[in-house]
Amino acid sequence: KNEVEQSPQNLTAQEGEFITINCSYSVGISALHWLQQHPGGGIVSLFMLSSGKKKHGRLIATINIQEKHSSLHITASHPRDSAVYICAGQFNMNYGGATNKLIFGTGTLLAVQP
Amino acid sequence: NAGVMQNPRHLVRRRGQEARLRCSPMKGHSHVYWYRQLPEEGLKFMVYLQKENIIDESGMPKERFSAEFPKEGPSILRIQQVVRGDSAAYFCASSPPNFRQINYGYTFGSGTRLTVV
Repeated sequence: KNEVEQSPQNLTAQEGEFITINCSYSVGISALHWLQQHPGGGIVSLFMLSSGKKKHGRLIATINIQEKHSSLHITASHPRDSAVYICAGQFNMNYGGATNKLIFGTGTLLAVQP
Repeated sequence: NAGVMQNPRHLVRRRGQEARLRCSPMKGHSHVYWYRQLPEEGLKFMVYLQKENIIDESGMPKERFSAEFPKEGPSILRIQQVVRGDSAAYFCASSPPNFRQINYGYTFGSGTRLTVV
């Protein structure tokens, strides 16, 4: 069982829709990352958060530490938002004896249709 | 302030050759991480290094793979005697020395796409 689970795996939306991608993790983390990857492209870091909520433009990320759950929301979605969105847990210092390494979810492939 | 620089962007090697992938971290970042993305699979941790020191190599295959981050110069991921199964995208990321500096988290490079023919 992966320590980081994402849902849904695939998501198709119409332009303008509000989108939510969910992420759950099974052990304690020091931070939760949301990343974006276009097909064949590099990885862009969208958010890194350890509590509460962060907003950047039309993107909002929230995390609930008690429930070990995070969500990424996209408001007023646009075709250019089409990409793979990946959540990743940055695990505590004592986990596996290492700091800072990321454990990734399997990603959510988002397609926003015009 | 240049981001994480990886080169080459694309690398083609014949089976049995060596592949060297380079990663220069962001200015001020002394921690480097290598991740591999196999075709149709998610990202997997390989190795975590600080200058002249390997902190965690639990994700590295036992043979043929090695990584270094010398005092001067970029971090190098070296794959000896490549096989077709090594074909993947290899991403490097860097972070500042204090992981509690939450506002300055990971920065990823653009990746090196290795194709073994």
